[in-house]
Amino acid sequence: DTEVTQTPKHLVMGMTNKKSLKCEQHMGHRAMYWYKQKAKKPPELMFVYSYEKLSINESVPSRFSPECPNSSLLNLHLHALQPEDSALYLCASSQAGANVLTFGAGSRLTVL
Amino acid sequence: EDKVVQSPLSLVVHEGDTVTLNCSYEVTNFRSLLWYKQEKKAPTFLFMLTSSGIEKKSGRLSSILDKKELFSILNITATQTGDSAVYLCAVAERPWGNAGGTSYGKLTFGQGTILTVHP
Repeated sequence: DTEVTQTPKHLVMGMTNKKSLKCEQHMGHRAMYWYKQKAKKPPELMFVYSYEKLSINESVPSRFSPECPNSSLLNLHLHALQPEDSALYLCASSQAGANVLTFGAGSRLTVL
Repeated sequence: EDKVVQSPLSLVVHEGDTVTLNCSYEVTNFRSLLWYKQEKKAPTFLFMLTSSGIEKKSGRLSSILDKKELFSILNITATQTGDSAVYLCAVAERPWGNAGGTSYGKLTFGQGTILTVHP
């Protein structure tokens, strides 16, 4: 298995909703990442987990809450989002000693 | 502030043409430069370059890095419609964290080049 699987593919939520994005990989990668990509812009790093521990938080607002329950799963919990948070959220993973990230297909989030 | 700049921002060619995409960078502690292809959603890995002057090749695609002049180029020969995509350049910076033997860190992406190949 050489894939990073993200669900859901599309999500529409109101500003008062609570939802979660999920990411799964079975490549044995111990570093996992969340990136945010706005239309026609490059991906921007949000969070990095290494060995299930949060290693990098790029000053992301607290309405985004990451969670890494085990080495294969990464979640992004969403609460009280704003319309400007609408974007493609990409999950990625990497193996030990490598800078190469494997990306998932992303979750397209629309906040109304 | 660290920067990764790609040019051109968009490019329209016909099948069979050769294209050259450019990526220049200004980062404090360079570790490696990566090229990704993004069609619709997931960026897919093309090349990673760490040393100057060593060309990486994969079929019709090739890339080279110049660490003195701080740039990289991605060449695509005999383009096909399936090459239409956004090509992203990204730089990995030191320090690259290492916990329990796993490396992790930050990739800074350029804004991408939109390549459109017409039949």
